[in-house]
Amino acid sequence: EAGVTQSPTHLIKTRGQQATLRCSPISGHTSVYWYQQALGLGLQFLLWYDEGEERNRGNFPPRFSGRQFPNYSSELNVNALELEDSALYLCASSLYRDRPYTEAFFGQGTRLTVV
Amino acid sequence: DQQVKQNSPSLSVQEGRISILNCDYTNSMFDYFLWYKKYPAEGPTFLISISSIKDKNEDGRFTVFLNKSAKHLSLHIVPSQPGDSAVYFCAASAYNNNDMRFGAGTRLTVKP
Repeated sequence: EAGVTQSPTHLIKTRGQQATLRCSPISGHTSVYWYQQALGLGLQFLLWYDEGEERNRGNFPPRFSGRQFPNYSSELNVNALELEDSALYLCASSLYRDRPYTEAFFGQGTRLTVV
Repeated sequence: DQQVKQNSPSLSVQEGRISILNCDYTNSMFDYFLWYKKYPAEGPTFLISISSIKDKNEDGRFTVFLNKSAKHLSLHIVPSQPGDSAVYFCAASAYNNNDMRFGAGTRLTVKP
């Protein structure tokens, strides 16, 4: 069974541009979570999608947005990129429907570098 | 607003000894707790979890203890092995609000 896949693995953008990161969850998982891991910091919660809806978002500006598609895959968009957006962006998925207590499985991440 | 805290950025132990990683939380709504392990260039992998109805959960060499009154949990690894060297993240979530909040991580180094 395929795990959580993220693309691209690496992404280099210039300041002010937009970045789009993609995530495919484990088959059957309905929830997708996005986290940012900046250098030296822990995993900062960005967004949670379940069943196509945004369920919660972390303390990030509105230029961080995303969506979840009918097949439960997800996109994270970062507009007006700033240098401090450089980080590892991790996506995780879990089977949330009827099972709120469940672990999430992570992809390998997208390394975003803003120059 | 750091709701989950891991105050020790690093820990070094000798192979065969016990590793104890600590985690504190502030949100009393959290009732499910997880530990993840992360190697460089990989995503975090789930290690062990505990719900608030328990105070201990064991899986092989790994045991998690939960002290709800102190809002504290710990991960014990016995015996520690060099392959356990990684960054360990503590995470917490609340019932019906399943987005996990993570601590900053503790880098464990197990020396042969």
